[in-house]
Amino acid sequence: DAGVTQSPTHLIKTRGQQVTLRCSPKSGHDTVSWYQQALGQGPQFIFQYYEEEERQRGNFPDRFSGHQFPNYSSELNVNALLLGDSALYLCASSFWQGDWGYTFGSGTRLTVV
Amino acid sequence: KQEVTQIPAALSVPEGENLVLNCSFTDSAIYNLQWFRQDPGKGLTSLLLIQSSQREQTSGRLNASLDKSSGRSTLYIAASQPGDSATYLCAVNSGYSTLTFGKGTMLLVSP
Repeated sequence: DAGVTQSPTHLIKTRGQQVTLRCSPKSGHDTVSWYQQALGQGPQFIFQYYEEEERQRGNFPDRFSGHQFPNYSSELNVNALLLGDSALYLCASSFWQGDWGYTFGSGTRLTVV
Repeated sequence: KQEVTQIPAALSVPEGENLVLNCSFTDSAIYNLQWFRQDPGKGLTSLLLIQSSQREQTSGRLNASLDKSSGRSTLYIAASQPGDSATYLCAVNSGYSTLTFGKGTMLLVSP
């Protein structure tokens, strides 16, 4: 049973550019959440998608946007990249009606130069 | 606003020791609490999930307890091994399926 799959694993972007990160949830999960983890910190909640809609959003600017597709996979888009956006981006999936337990992917390491 | 604190920030022990990692949270109105393990540069691996109605969960050498009224959880690791070296993160679900994390405890178990 495949877990949560994220792509790419690493990427390097230049300030001002735009980036798209992708996530496929664990089989049977219908909810996808995105987290940002800076070095030495705990993950911070960005937003959550369920039924192709953004259900919850953390304290992140509008430069961060997302999408969920009918097959439950999701994308995270970041526009006008800043140096401070350099972080590990984690995708987590869960089942909306379940016990709220999360399965995390291995993350995408984004470096902005 | 929920805040999660983990103590200690770092811990170094010799192999074979039993150890306790601590997690505290400010708002006791939680749905559940989850302990994760993170290896350097990697994603999160779920270790234990405790529902708000439960007092503890066990998996192998790991035991997690929850005292919701006092806003505390502990992760007990028995007979530690070098392979247990990692960062351990505590995360609280206060509703709407979003997690609030602590900064983690970095554990080093030396042979």
